[in-house]
Amino acid sequence: GAVVSQHPSWVICKSGTSVKIECRSLDFQATTMFWYRQFPKQSLMLMATSNEGSKATYEQGVEKDKFLINHASLTLSTLTVTSAHPEDSSFYICSAREFLSADTQYFGPGTRLTVL
Amino acid sequence: GENVEQHPSTLSVQEGDSAVIKCTYSDSASNYFPWYKQELGKGPQLIIDIRSNVGEKKDQRIAVTLNKTAKHFSLHITETQPEDSAVYFCAASPQHTGANSKLTFGKGITLSVRP
Repeated sequence: GAVVSQHPSWVICKSGTSVKIECRSLDFQATTMFWYRQFPKQSLMLMATSNEGSKATYEQGVEKDKFLINHASLTLSTLTVTSAHPEDSSFYICSAREFLSADTQYFGPGTRLTVL
Repeated sequence: GENVEQHPSTLSVQEGDSAVIKCTYSDSASNYFPWYKQELGKGPQLIIDIRSNVGEKKDQRIAVTLNKTAKHFSLHITETQPEDSAVYFCAASPQHTGANSKLTFGKGITLSVRP
């Protein structure tokens, strides 16, 4: 149980385009999902916290107009990187917290974004 | 806010030996401490966690100990195998309830198990 999926697993796009990444909890309901960014050989950096049906809470320094987050259902959250630039190239990982277990986070497999 | 320190950054052990990875935290209000294993190109996988009302927890070859007074917690892996080679992250959360309670991660340690 507690499986989180992400789609796509990797994407290459041109500078200036937008990219959408999906995060799904497959076998549990997730009232809260988190989006992280990870650069090579570094730790996970929290970008935003997403609660179902409400606006996401962004961490300091993360542009909410550039990284659009939607959490429309208890099993799906999306991250859209708008007007992507090469510096947005990174490994994006989501996590989900089970409805009944308020602290355990389960992570997705990650999405590798490369902006040319 | 919470600060989680993880040292050293790399650890190499011989197959079959034990590995111990330590983390310290700063916020005495933290009460949830998970450990994640991340293989190259993959997302972090939860391997064990502990809450502050428990001093030790074990799951087969993996155990975690918590010292609340000293504010440190450790991951113990016994009978290491080459497939244990990965990056291990510790984390702490200041509260285990609440819609927006967040994990603070350490910088990670690369464990190499030599065959």
